[in-house]
Amino acid sequence: GAVVSQHPSRVICKSGTSVKIECRSLDFQATTMFWYRQFPKQSLMLMATSNEGSKATYEQGVEKDKFLINHASLTLSTLTVTSAHPEDSSFYICSASSVRVYEQFFGPGTRLTVL
Amino acid sequence: GQQLNQSPQSMFIQEGEDVSMNCTSSSIFNTWLWYKQDPGEGPVLLIALYKAGELTSNGRLTAQFGITRKDSFLNISASIPSDVGIYFCAGAGSSNTGKLIFGQGTTLQVKP
Repeated sequence: GAVVSQHPSRVICKSGTSVKIECRSLDFQATTMFWYRQFPKQSLMLMATSNEGSKATYEQGVEKDKFLINHASLTLSTLTVTSAHPEDSSFYICSASSVRVYEQFFGPGTRLTVL
Repeated sequence: GQQLNQSPQSMFIQEGEDVSMNCTSSSIFNTWLWYKQDPGEGPVLLIALYKAGELTSNGRLTAQFGITRKDSFLNISASIPSDVGIYFCAGAGSSNTGKLIFGQGTTLQVKP
C-alpha cells in the first residue's frame, strides 16, 4: 500500500517552455500533497504544500507564478514549471499523506533538464 | 526556524557491521521519521515515531524517539550491500500541517 507515482520520470526541454509533472496516489486518498526540490548531494527542499481543492501554500522564496500547483482531486496533484530556464533543472519529488498527515509517501521523482 | 543536525554525514563500513546514525534538533519535535533514498529515486519511509521514548523496529532497523523529544537515532544491524543509500531523518513540530523538516542525510556505503 501507499504507492505514489510521478510522471514523467525524466524530461528535457528547451528554455522558455513549460513543463507539467503529475503526482498520483495510487492506492489511497491523499488529503495533502507536497512538492520538493532536491539538488545533487543535498537534502529535500520543500517547495509547497497543497490540499485538495485549496490553493497551495508556498514556502518562502518559492515563486508561485513560476511553479504552479494544482491539487484537483484526492489522488492527483500537478506541478507546472512555467517558462523554464536552466537554473530550474533539478530533481523534483512529490509526496502524499493521508490520515497520518506526517507519514509522507514519496513518488520516484522527476529529473528535469532545461537546455 | 527549526533545524535538524544529522550525523555522521557519511559512513563506509564492512558488510555485517552494525550502523548507528542520529539527528538532533534545536527545538522539540512531536514526530520523528526515518527515510532511505536510493540514487535517482524518491525516499522510502522506514520508521515513524510518535511518542517520546518510543523504540520501534523494522527488520534489522531500529529507531528511537529521544526522551527529550529533541533527538532520534537509527540503528542498522548486520549491514548488507543493499543497505547502501542516503538515510534522512525528518521531524515535525506541532503545526499539524504535515510539513516535515529534513536532516542533511547520512550516506552509507557498505563494502562486501
